[in-house]
Amino acid sequence: EVQLVESGGGLVQPGRSLKLSCAASGFTFSNYYMAWVRQAPKKGLEWVATISTSGSRTYYPDSVKGRFTISRDNAKSSLYLQMNSLKSEDTATYYCARQGGHTMGPGDYWGQGVMVTVSS
Amino acid sequence: NIVMTQSPKSMSISVGDRVTMNCKASQNVGNNIAWYQQKPGQSPKLLIYYASNRYTGVPDRFTGGGYGTDFTLTINSVQAEDAAFYYCQRIYNSPLTFGSGTKLEIK
Repeated sequence: EVQLVESGGGLVQPGRSLKLSCAASGFTFSNYYMAWVRQAPKKGLEWVATISTSGSRTYYPDSVKGRFTISRDNAKSSLYLQMNSLKSEDTATYYCARQGGHTMGPGDYWGQGVMVTVSS
Repeated sequence: NIVMTQSPKSMSISVGDRVTMNCKASQNVGNNIAWYQQKPGQSPKLLIYYASNRYTGVPDRFTGGGYGTDFTLTINSVQAEDAAFYYCQRIYNSPLTFGSGTKLEIK
């Protein structure tokens, strides 16, 4: 059974950093692109980052480029999101998602999400 | 940057009705579109990928169509459990932009 379990969320002050983790199981992690998607309270979904199978290629929207870094450890079947210079508008539930098709395909499995609150 | 525009923002439908919602891309994306369903308090679930392919286990009342810039998600014979938000997403090329969603309510 495919499982994605996020951790590392919490309350953080504006300007500070936070690192999210996603533990994957039930599939060959190194074969899949992975992504982070967030959802602000009562808002829609926003793609945050994608990483290739080897980790050599990463992709971000302009809203987080230069502040967020996605990475992975294939030996540990783990995905990470380092978030720096956090702003109040980064407050959201962050989901880890597997991207199907061995490319930037659709999110076919999602974690349950982890809440990040940026507030003083 | 690509913009995905979904319409309508919300709709209220009776059980058994047919409903169609739309997703318009600001540039040609071929068939690189996915549709997701999200119920309150839950993670999104994949319904349709590459515009018209139904994902494993998705009931056949869900149908995706379109190519280029205009896409549709149709639900035939809506069921009470279909009440949810529906999102389209451009896939395969960055940025993987989501639409703003359509809320489906059941009367």
